[in-house]
Formats: sequence, structure tokens, C-alpha cells
Amino acid sequence: DGGITQSPKYLFRKEGQNVTLSCEQNLNHDAMYWYRQDPGQGLRLIYYSQIVNDFQKGDIAEGYSVSREKKESFPLTVTSAQKNPTAFYLCASSAPGTGSGANVLTFGAGSRLTVL
Amino acid sequence: AQSVTQPDIHITVSEGASLELRCNYSYGATPYLFWYVQSPGQGLQLLLKYFSGDTLVQGIKGFEAEFKRSQSSFNLRKPSVHWSDAAEYFCAVGAGYGGATNKLIFGTGTLLAVQP
Repeated sequence: DGGITQSPKYLFRKEGQNVTLSCEQNLNHDAMYWYRQDPGQGLRLIYYSQIVNDFQKGDIAEGYSVSREKKESFPLTVTSAQKNPTAFYLCASSAPGTGSGANVLTFGAGSRLTVL
Repeated sequence: AQSVTQPDIHITVSEGASLELRCNYSYGATPYLFWYVQSPGQGLQLLLKYFSGDTLVQGIKGFEAEFKRSQSSFNLRKPSVHWSDAAEYFCAVGAGYGGATNKLIFGTGTLLAVQP
């Protein structure tokens, strides 16, 4: 079955360490997204990519970095510059084009990062 | 700028009772509107979407939503709630055109509790 796989499910990090969250999709979607979720704040967009080797900053990109070397993969690195990284991170993808299907997001199960 | 407001942070209903979750949006053109549901520690699942046409849309799990342009609203309804509906519900708005804006703006969510 097609879908989005995020790993790890849970991750603990010491302050000052960089960590990378994995996101892989087999839906043949061109666009991929990273959202951060905090209690009471909904989902906030970190980065998104509409095509391989291209990505754009979202609303809260500071302290994060991404790469898009393959269509299937969109890893997120949480750097030591992110001051409050403890959160639930969600990866999503959407179909190609600019029509209605391109706005329908399919989500992974999320990764919970805790900074100790 | 686009925005989404979910005025109810937390709602409790009795099993078998009807449900309405409110969503108001701000957008300069005809928006694409969505409702997603999230179980604890999981990703988001699409319940239903509105792109155009009939303003009453049907979704999965017996949910429906009505687009009211005059009120800038897209409220979610279910005639009879089941205990398994307990979850967090997110309303989202997206641009319907333009390759650079294939991303959604989410509300802060409404947490639904179902009591026996």
C-alpha cells in the first residue's frame, strides 16, 4: 500500500545536538511538506518542496534544514540553532500539478522529538 | 493573508448526540477547504474537502460539512457521535491556484471528547 513513512517514531536529543527525521513516500507525489505541531497551536509549516532539488521556507524555518535529492525522500534536520525543538513533527505529501488534487495532503504518522 | 479560526478548543458530547464543530476562514478568493482528524500520537486523516460545486459535502465516517460563503464558514457536522470519534479535528484552507501556494493553513484544532 502507498503511504508515507516517518522515522523514528520517538527521538530524544541532548541540547546542542543536531538530529535528522526521515520521511519517505511511495505515492509518486511531487510535493512534500514538514509541519510542526505543538499543543494548542495547530500545525505550522516548516519547509516544503514542490520538486526534486528545490525547496522553500515555510512560516517557521529558522533552526531547521531540509534536502530533496530524491522524489521519495524529504529529510528534516533539527539543528542546535532551534531554540525550542521539542514537538511533534509531521511529514506530508501531495499530488503533482496546481489543480485541486495538489492541495490534498497525505500525512505520515509523525515523529515526536524530545530534547533532554 | 489566509487564516483559519476554530473557536472551540475543547468540546464534550454524549455518545449518540449530534455534533457541530465550527470553522471560520479568511481568504480573498474561493478557498479550498478541508477537515482532518487526528487520533492521539498519529498523523492526520482527511475527512472531507470542498473545492467547488455543491456546498454540502459528504466525508468519511458519516461526517459532512457545509460551505457558507456569506459567513466564511465551513462547519463540520455529524448527526450521531460514536465513542470512536473522540479525537482532535483540524480545519484547513488552501489556495486553489498557483503552483507556489500548494500548502495549507491549519486552524488550532478542536479536541472532541465523547462521554458514555
